Amino acid sequence: DAGVIQSPRHEVTEMGQEVTLRCKPISGHDYLFWYRQTMMRGLELLIYFNNNVPIDDSGMPEDRFSAKMPNASFSTLKIQPSEPRDSAVYFCASSLLAGPYEQYFGPGTRLTVT
Amino acid sequence: GENVEQHPSTLSVQEGDSAVIKCTYSDSASNYFPWYKQELGKRPQLIIDIRSNVGEKKDQRIAVTLNKTAKHFSLHITETQPEDSAVYFCAASSGGNQFYFGTGTSLTVIP
Repeated sequence: DAGVIQSPRHEVTEMGQEVTLRCKPISGHDYLFWYRQTMMRGLELLIYFNNNVPIDDSGMPEDRFSAKMPNASFSTLKIQPSEPRDSAVYFCASSLLAGPYEQYFGPGTRLTVT
Repeated sequence: GENVEQHPSTLSVQEGDSAVIKCTYSDSASNYFPWYKQELGKRPQLIIDIRSNVGEKKDQRIAVTLNKTAKHFSLHITETQPEDSAVYFCAASSGGNQFYFGTGTSLTVIP
């Protein structure tokens, strides 16, 4: 298996633009997580899905952020409009079982908003 | 919700020495404690984990200990090598699938 796949790996955009980050979880994994990592706040859970259904979105910072999982193999995290303080590395992770069990992280998307 | 604290934030050791990173948690219902290693510019990767029915777990040079009464757990790396240099994160989970991560420890192993 190729592991968790994220695209793009780097994104540079101007303030006010819409940004869409994409994730493909490991095949067969039922859980998908979106994290944001910054120096100041560390690793923050934004939202997670179970069987394509959002379970907890309490970490989503504000209405500018939205996430979807239309099927078991694809999820998006959208920021509209983007702001400089959204600059961070965004990780997607997936896990196989309810448990808890190991979460496998993707390579991340480094977002820079100017 | 759960609160995980991690110390120290930075740690430098000489190659061959041991390194210890400590974490505390607040939710007595937490029962799963993974440790992740993140090399510069890379993704976090699991290096070892422990569940609350076990007090200690070892994997070669890495060990984790858990004290449920005191609500703390520690990562021990023996015979450190330069390739151990990375940021290490502890986490706690209470049976759901949500991980609460510590703030990370930047470990530098000096050759």
